[in-house]
Amino acid sequence: DAGITQSPRHKVTETGTPVTLRCHQTENHRYMYWYRQDPGHGLRLIHYSYGVKDTDKGEVSDGYSVSRSKTEDFLLTLESATSSQTSVYFCAISRSGPGTQYFGPGTRLLVL
Amino acid sequence: QQPVQSPQAVILREGEDAVINCSSSKALYSVHWYRQKHGEAPVFLMILLKGGEQKGHDKISASFNEKKQQSSLYLTASQLSYSGTYFCGTEIGGGSNYKLTFGKGTLLTVNP
Repeated sequence: DAGITQSPRHKVTETGTPVTLRCHQTENHRYMYWYRQDPGHGLRLIHYSYGVKDTDKGEVSDGYSVSRSKTEDFLLTLESATSSQTSVYFCAISRSGPGTQYFGPGTRLLVL
Repeated sequence: QQPVQSPQAVILREGEDAVINCSSSKALYSVHWYRQKHGEAPVFLMILLKGGEQKGHDKISASFNEKKQQSSLYLTASQLSYSGTYFCGTEIGGGSNYKLTFGKGTLLTVNP
């Protein structure tokens, strides 16, 4: 299995608070992705990175920001959490974009 | 724009066959297939590049018709372990396009 972890695995927070999710990899893969998964919507891309400090928006990026200061870490920040951001968040890594993607275990986020 | 998957759900008895379709309104460079079991992360199955190739993995195979912007996933003699949600991910353009757009998924249930 690809070495990819996500933290925290579960989080409950209140509307209006900032939240940061972390994705950490030990595979030295160049590409990293953040998706959210909601019933009836499948996997939707939030942001992705194609190198250190190189990031771009996905299809549902409003209300989210990302940072990648080193190869192994990709952070997703919800600037001011809303109930509509309650979801399961998956991080994925890929050696070549958008080749075979290896997904992390996911983070369940509940915004009250 | 998300590719369209059909059917949305299918129920099989062990040993039966199934076909899952994925279609796009845009010209595709590649199609990727993933399977997700309940409560787990998606897992890569295969990639098909434009050129109309077919691929196989055990009793799961797929085809890609680039003229029709369609891909089909074929599950032959289904096993209980095939149960899960199948997603297609589409890549548009190739080159410096590093991302996939996933469909909403097809829930496959295999019963004894």
